[in-house]
Amino acid sequence: QSALTQPASVSGSPGQSITISCTGTSSDVGSYNLVSWYQQHPGKAPKLMIYEVSKRPSGVSNRFSGSKSGNTASLTISGLQAEDEADYYCCSYAGSSTFVFGTGTKVTVL
Amino acid sequence: EVQLVESGGGLVQPGRSLRLSCAASGFTFDDYAMHWVRQAPGKGLEWVSGISWNSGSIGYADSVKGRFTISRDNAKNSLYLQMNSLRAEDTALYYCAKDKGAAEGIAFDIWGQGTMVTVSS
Repeated sequence: QSALTQPASVSGSPGQSITISCTGTSSDVGSYNLVSWYQQHPGKAPKLMIYEVSKRPSGVSNRFSGSKSGNTASLTISGLQAEDEADYYCCSYAGSSTFVFGTGTKVTVL
Repeated sequence: EVQLVESGGGLVQPGRSLRLSCAASGFTFDDYAMHWVRQAPGKGLEWVSGISWNSGSIGYADSVKGRFTISRDNAKNSLYLQMNSLRAEDTALYYCAKDKGAAEGIAFDIWGQGTMVTVSS
């Protein structure tokens, strides 16, 4: 159960697009289409942004999209806005009723 | 309103026990799997444990296996986490989270505000 690997930080200017990677193994990300992404603002509880690799919950902006290739999942934020500045975490089902989170990525809007 | 409210956190000495509770409201509790996720101060999220709707499937992180026990009481719309043999590294904000699915889990769509557990002598 090693944490999934994410870049520590990603930045972009308003209006730009950024992509956050999430690298796991063939035992988690590579085996299941159960990758989810969470946004967390300081002092707040996490918020589900993407589930099952690319599905958006009701109410989440379509500027957020997800994908997966092999053992790596990605979250893309298009049309970056100031309110998108937050920490982002990926998460994957890892078999045997267990999950594993990513190391987290701090997104900065320049 | 869909809501999860955690309780039971506090300051505890190493080696002692603590039981966390999570009260659910606003949704049909026994239709969904539930989880505990923790976050140490200034650190990232760590999945701790999950339980299916009927308690038939249960999973634990390696870091807590053998020390923590998750359970649920569907009649009381409540989720629990019994934490034994606590260590300093268990110090964290513990979140209760609802799953989108009923069985082994899909994703965590509703979160509580968390209850803080501090393990220190």
